[in-house]
Amino acid sequence: EVHLVESGGNLVQPGGSLTLSCAASGFTFADFAMHWVRQVPGKGLEWVSGISWNRLNIDYADSVKGRFTVSRDNGKNFLYLQMNSLRPEDTAVYYCVRCWGFSSFFELWGQGTLVTVSS
Amino acid sequence: DIQMTQSPSSLSASVGDRVTITCRASQGIRNSLAWYQQKPGKVPNLLISDSSTPHSGVPSRFSGRGSGTEFTLTISSLQPEDVATYYCQEYNSVPLTFGGGTKVEI
Repeated sequence: EVHLVESGGNLVQPGGSLTLSCAASGFTFADFAMHWVRQVPGKGLEWVSGISWNRLNIDYADSVKGRFTVSRDNGKNFLYLQMNSLRPEDTAVYYCVRCWGFSSFFELWGQGTLVTVSS
Repeated sequence: DIQMTQSPSSLSASVGDRVTITCRASQGIRNSLAWYQQKPGKVPNLLISDSSTPHSGVPSRFSGRGSGTEFTLTISSLQPEDVATYYCQEYNSVPLTFGGGTKVEI
């Protein structure tokens, strides 16, 4: 069965750092672009970052550019999001999502992991 | 960046009603538009891609149409299990952007 499972969400103080992980299973991870999408509880969806299957295309939302870094390990079937200089407005559920192409629709979603930035 | 404007932001309809949600793009995006359904407390699920192609397993009462800047999602006969928030998303270019969502109630 096809799965994406996020982990690493936690309570962190403003200015702190956190790394999210996403474990993929049931499909050939290296064939797909992967993205992070976040959602403030009770609010809408916001694209955060994406990485192509071969890492040649990487991009970020302006709201996180310079603070977040996306990466992937195709050998281990993992996607990562390194988050630095966290702000209260980064508080959200972070979803790992699979796409056919780098600029595409989100066809498979993980269950999400909650990041709370608060003192 | 492309802005996506959804309307209405919420609606209430009766079981069996025909419901239409509109999504407008700030510039032309060809047919690079997807629709998602998010039920309360659940993960978003892909309904439609390429403006009008239903995802596997999506009930036939859901349909999408449009091209360029104006798109619609229609539920032909609203069912109780369709209570959810619906989002459009453009993928013509990065940054990928979502509409603000439409909450559908019965």
